[in-house]
Amino acid sequence: EAEVAQSPRYKITEKSQAVAFWCDPISGHATLYWYRQILGQGPELLVQFQDESVVDDSQLPKDRFSAERLKGVDSTLKIQPAELGDSAMYLCASSSSGGAFAEQFFGPGTRLTVL
Amino acid sequence: AQSVSQHNHHVILSEAASLELGCNYSYGGTVNLFWYVQYPGQHLQLLLKYFSGDPLVKGIKGFEAEFIKSKFSFNLRKPSVQWSDTAEYFCAVNAQSGGYQKVTFGTGTKLQVIP
Repeated sequence: EAEVAQSPRYKITEKSQAVAFWCDPISGHATLYWYRQILGQGPELLVQFQDESVVDDSQLPKDRFSAERLKGVDSTLKIQPAELGDSAMYLCASSSSGGAFAEQFFGPGTRLTVL
Repeated sequence: AQSVSQHNHHVILSEAASLELGCNYSYGGTVNLFWYVQYPGQHLQLLLKYFSGDPLVKGIKGFEAEFIKSKFSFNLRKPSVQWSDTAEYFCAVNAQSGGYQKVTFGTGTKLQVIP
C-alpha cells in the first residue's frame, strides 16, 4: 500500500542550528502539505503545494522557515535558525488534488526537539 | 477564516458505552467535513467525510457523524465503543479560501476506552 514517507523520524538539535525535513508523497499526488502539530493541539497548516507551486504559505514563519518542492514530487522543509518554540511534530500529507473532496494521506511525522 | 472547535479534550469511557464527540465550525459558505483518527503509534487516517447529500454519514469501524448545518456541527458517534477505539480524533473543515481549498483541523479529542 502506498504511503507518505518522511525522514528523519526524530531530530534533536540545539537552538540556532539549521534543520531540514524531507517528505516523499504518494506517487501521483499533486498536492503536498506540511503541518506543524504542537503537543495537545491539532495539525496547523504551514504550507501547501500544488505540483511545484506554493498555493498557501500564510502560516509559515518566513523569517526562519522555508519549503520547496522543486520537481513537484518530494519536498523539503527547512528551519534556520531553530528556536525552542519550534519543538513539535512536523507532518507531511499528500492528496491526489487540492480539491474540496480530497482525502489527505499523512506520513508518520518528524518529531523535532530543540534544546 | 474558518475555525474548528472540539470542546471535549479528553474523554474516558468504559467498553460498550456510547460515544459522541462534538465538533463545531465557523464558516459562512459551503464546507466539506472530515473526521480523522490517530491510533497510538500510527499515522493520522481518515475515519469519515461529508460532502453533500444525506447529512448522516457512515465511516469505518462503526463510526458515524451527523452534519447539522443550522448548528454548524459535525458530531462523531459510535453506539458501542471498544478498547481498540482508544485514539485521538480530529475534526477538520475544508473550505474555499482565497481561490483554493484550505483544510483546518480542530485541537483533537483523546478517547480512552477502559476494558
